[in-house]
Amino acid sequence: KAGVTQTPRYLIKTRGQQVTLSCSPISGHRSVSWYQQTPGQGLQFLFEYFSETQRNKGNFPGRFSGRQFSNSRSEMNVSTLELGDSALYLCASSIGQGLDEQFFGPGTRLTVL
Amino acid sequence: DQQVKQNSPSLSVQEGRISILNCDYTNSMFDYFLWYKKYPAEGPTFLISISSIKDKNEDGRFTVFLNKSAKHLSLHIVPSQPGDSAVYFCAASPNTGGFKTIFGAGTRLFVKA
Repeated sequence: KAGVTQTPRYLIKTRGQQVTLSCSPISGHRSVSWYQQTPGQGLQFLFEYFSETQRNKGNFPGRFSGRQFSNSRSEMNVSTLELGDSALYLCASSIGQGLDEQFFGPGTRLTVL
Repeated sequence: DQQVKQNSPSLSVQEGRISILNCDYTNSMFDYFLWYKKYPAEGPTFLISISSIKDKNEDGRFTVFLNKSAKHLSLHIVPSQPGDSAVYFCAASPNTGGFKTIFGAGTRLFVKA
């Protein structure tokens, strides 16, 4: 069974630009969560999507948004990039029934210059 | 406001001995707790979890203990092996029907041969 895949793996952008990251969950998984990992803050929860609906949301500004498609693939968008958005963005998928096990992808390393 | 705290950034243990990783939380709404292991350049891997209705959960060499009154949980690894060297994240989630997981900052475990 293929694992969670994230594209691209590395990305370099400049301040003010916008970026879209993609996550393909494990086949059969309907829940996709997004996290931001920075050296100082650890993993910070962004949001969780289940069956194309945002089910839970963390404390990030509105510049961070996401969506989920009917095939459970998810995208995350960050608009008006700031230097502080430089981080590893991780996506995790699960079947979505309650708090079952989450499987993480390798992440997308975003650098904002 | 750190709702999940791992106060030890690192821990060094001799092979074969017990490793004890600690975690404290502040939010009494959390009722599901997880431990993840992370190797460099990989996403976190689920290790073990515990529901708030239990005080202990065991899986092979890994045991998680939950003390709800103290808002404290710990992960015991017995016996420790060099392959256990990784960063361990404690995480917690309220039961919102899905994930709203808050992670600690992580503890780096070194197991010396």
